[in-house]
Amino acid sequence: KQEVTQIPAALSVPEGENLVLNCSFTDSAIYNLQWFRQDPGKGLTSLLLIQSSQREQTSGRLNASLDKSSGRSTLYIAASQPGDSATYLCAVVYGNNRLAFGKGNQVVVIP
Amino acid sequence: DVKVTQSSRYLVKRTGEKVFLECVQDMDHENMFWYRQDPGLGLRLIYFSYDVKMKEKGDIPEGYSVSREKKERFSLILESASTNQTSMYLCASRPHRGNSPLHFGNGTRLTVT
Repeated sequence: KQEVTQIPAALSVPEGENLVLNCSFTDSAIYNLQWFRQDPGKGLTSLLLIQSSQREQTSGRLNASLDKSSGRSTLYIAASQPGDSATYLCAVVYGNNRLAFGKGNQVVVIP
Repeated sequence: DVKVTQSSRYLVKRTGEKVFLECVQDMDHENMFWYRQDPGLGLRLIYFSYDVKMKEKGDIPEGYSVSREKKERFSLILESASTNQTSMYLCASRPHRGNSPLHFGNGTRLTVT
């Protein structure tokens, strides 16, 4: 069974610092990995999707890398802002169209 | 842009009531999912459907059923609501292609009293 882990569960950073969030998965046979953002009481908003054949994806201040062989993905958020405060989740698609989610990193950016 | 719409943002129901949560997507996606999200437990899959009238149990189907009569609509039914079903419910959809993104609705916060 695929297991996805995100550590730490919560972190705080000062505004302007770069954020580095990690996601690890146990089975490297994935189709893709997706990073989401979730604000309190809201649904999940897709940030980046990395296909299994890709090494990274970029969107504005966000960059996500994927190392399938080691079962890891990293989400970088450059020059963090208070508006980046949210919970960030990663999810992998594997097997027969199955999905597995991490429990998320709750991020607070301190002004 | 893909839109996944959940009919209610907040619902308050009484124990024993039958509850319907509706989800509609506008992109002809084959796959639709119902999750519940609880603090410390993350997202847990209740049911999913990969085609009209097709459904499969997820990890926690007990106390729930689903209906998919049309491709765009996936309904979650709580046959007899209980207080331990108080939760955030999230609907999602994606095409069947393995490399396609998942899209979520805004969630329904259900409180059972």
